[in-house]
Amino acid sequence: DAKTTQPTSMDCAEGRAANLPCNHSTISGNEYVYWYRQIHSQGPQYIIHGLKNNETNEMASLIITEDRKSSTLILPHATLRDTAVYYCIVRVEGGGSEKLVFGKGTKLTVNP
Amino acid sequence: NAGVTQTPKFQVLKTGQSMTLQCAQDMNHEYMSWYRQDPGMGLRLIHYSVGAGITDQGEVPNGYNVSRSTTEDFPLRLLSAAPSQTSVYFCASNRAGRSEQFFGPGTRLTVL
Repeated sequence: DAKTTQPTSMDCAEGRAANLPCNHSTISGNEYVYWYRQIHSQGPQYIIHGLKNNETNEMASLIITEDRKSSTLILPHATLRDTAVYYCIVRVEGGGSEKLVFGKGTKLTVNP
Repeated sequence: NAGVTQTPKFQVLKTGQSMTLQCAQDMNHEYMSWYRQDPGMGLRLIHYSVGAGITDQGEVPNGYNVSRSTTEDFPLRLLSAAPSQTSVYFCASNRAGRSEQFFGPGTRLTVL
């Protein structure tokens, strides 16, 4: 699986958009980009995933660059409850074992 | 649906004791996994299963055993607890062919 690079930490004001970047320059053509988050002491929670098109769901939007070497997770109106560690993961979907490799992620702090 | 459930929530063991962490899911997912998370670290895969009767090792399997006799249950056994196994343990499940994993609330284990 391709390796990802994320900033260690970020801050965001409540009500503003939070844009979390992820670099995955060695991503291969059949690897998806997944985002999970982990609110303090809880199990990780799936947010969104995509292959090459931008994706949006009720939680967030995922913007993947045309060359697929980087992506951005957007929380459009961050709230205090969005304070969490956000993990960007790339892997093949349906490629046998579905084990995920979690790095250290980005600690997002949403400030009032 | 209860989703993924784990018991106990907290456990304190003495070095050398054995115990079983329980994990159950009611979503009829084929795949189940066990992760551990140490302070300030991402999750590391211990063991996983792609179906009843089939298990395999992850990144850090030493000191742990698993079995999968039913689709619903995936217990993790510590054979002889060591202080290095002090950690938070998360169980997860997902459908075959999908990397969207659902996580349990975790078990906090302390080995003295």
